[in-house]
Amino acid sequence: EVQLVESGGGLVQPGGSLRLSCAASGFTFSGRWMTWVRQAPGKGLEWVANIKHDGSVKYYLDSVKGRFTISRDNAKNSLYLQMNSLTVEDTAVYYCAGGRGTDFWGQGTLVIVSS
Amino acid sequence: DVVLTQSPLSLPVTLGQPASISCTSSQGLVYSDGNTYLSWFHQRPGQSPRRLIYRISNRDSGVPDRFSGSGSGIDFTLKISRVEAEDVGIYYCMQGSHWPPWTFGQGTKVEIK
Repeated sequence: EVQLVESGGGLVQPGGSLRLSCAASGFTFSGRWMTWVRQAPGKGLEWVANIKHDGSVKYYLDSVKGRFTISRDNAKNSLYLQMNSLTVEDTAVYYCAGGRGTDFWGQGTLVIVSS
Repeated sequence: DVVLTQSPLSLPVTLGQPASISCTSSQGLVYSDGNTYLSWFHQRPGQSPRRLIYRISNRDSGVPDRFSGSGSGIDFTLKISRVEAEDVGIYYCMQGSHWPPWTFGQGTKVEIK
């Protein structure tokens, strides 16, 4: 069974940092692009970043470029999102998804940026 | 960036009746490999999204055949042949033909009358 489990969310002050993790199982992680998508409270879906199978190619939403870093550890079947210089606009549920087409999704982890 | 515009934004439906959601792109979605990367997702209240349809009309594994996707160019449609209670929630289209960024429509909320 394909499974994606996000963790690392929480409450952080503006300007702070968080590192999200996504543990993958049930598929060949090293053979898949992986994606982060977020959803602000009561809002729609917003693509954030994705990373190629081997980590050699990464794309970012303009508003997070330079602040967020996507990475992966294929030996650990894990995806990460390092988030720095957080603002209130980054408050959202962050989903890890398999594939560039977001073929399957985790349950999400909530990030709240507030003073 | 490609903008996807869904309509309607709210869709009250009667159980057993058909429903249709439109997704219009700000530019054509044919990718350089000849494929059109337009997908549909369903998000039930309190749950994460689930992909239903990829490349316009291909149903994902386990998706009931009452769901169908169609369209070409800039106009795409998701149809539910007979709405069931479990179909309530928000439906999103997403394009993966012109990136970055990959973009979603604003969502269509389906509820039972």
